[in-house]
Amino acid sequence: DQQVKQNSPSLSVQEGRISILNCDYTNSMFDYFLWYKKYPAEGPTFLISISSIKDKNEDGRFTVFLNKSAKHLSLHIVPSQPGDSAVYFCAARTNRDDKIIFGKGTRLHILP
Amino acid sequence: DTGVSQDPRHKITKRGQNVTFRCDPISEHNRLYWYRQTLGQGPEFLTYFQNEAQLEKSRLLSDRFSAERPKGSFSTLEIQRTEQGDSAMYLCASSGRRQGKGIWGYTFGSGTRLTVV
Repeated sequence: DQQVKQNSPSLSVQEGRISILNCDYTNSMFDYFLWYKKYPAEGPTFLISISSIKDKNEDGRFTVFLNKSAKHLSLHIVPSQPGDSAVYFCAARTNRDDKIIFGKGTRLHILP
Repeated sequence: DTGVSQDPRHKITKRGQNVTFRCDPISEHNRLYWYRQTLGQGPEFLTYFQNEAQLEKSRLLSDRFSAERPKGSFSTLEIQRTEQGDSAMYLCASSGRRQGKGIWGYTFGSGTRLTVV
């Protein structure tokens, strides 16, 4: 039972354009959402997060949007840079414990 | 602090052998987590500790797997009688106490890549 779903296994975006990565979730007990970035042979690194009481959080080129009614969140990267090529994981935490549930990831390719 | 350290980075073992991995979390973090990641999947939760207490174990953690955090600092994950299906990246992460308004998240180590041949 996938509680966090990333339905696009991969995405290719031209350098300088906007990258939009999508994520859907099913568990209404999730109260905190995170995006992690992962390069090959490394552990995931924290990118940005958002609490369920907000609908937007921005950090430099990265913005996360949360639509609670649709149980949907998205990560926007503007402008996309070559170093952004990586696998991005959407993740969520319940208000019951600190365990994070991850999606399967979306591989982002930034094209020159 | 150098972050979360995992040792070894890579391990190749023959089927049926036992292996043990070590994780050193960020020193001030009281929670430690083990995840497993296979190709094409996101990290899957295995177990976590608050200080030395193991609070939850996933059903993915069969009887052949055991994890310890004896003094509430480093942790070990042991797999007995390894099988080819155990081949994966084993990730350790740590986190501190929940902050009221601050950013919270796990800090992951670089992982241990296990290959069972």
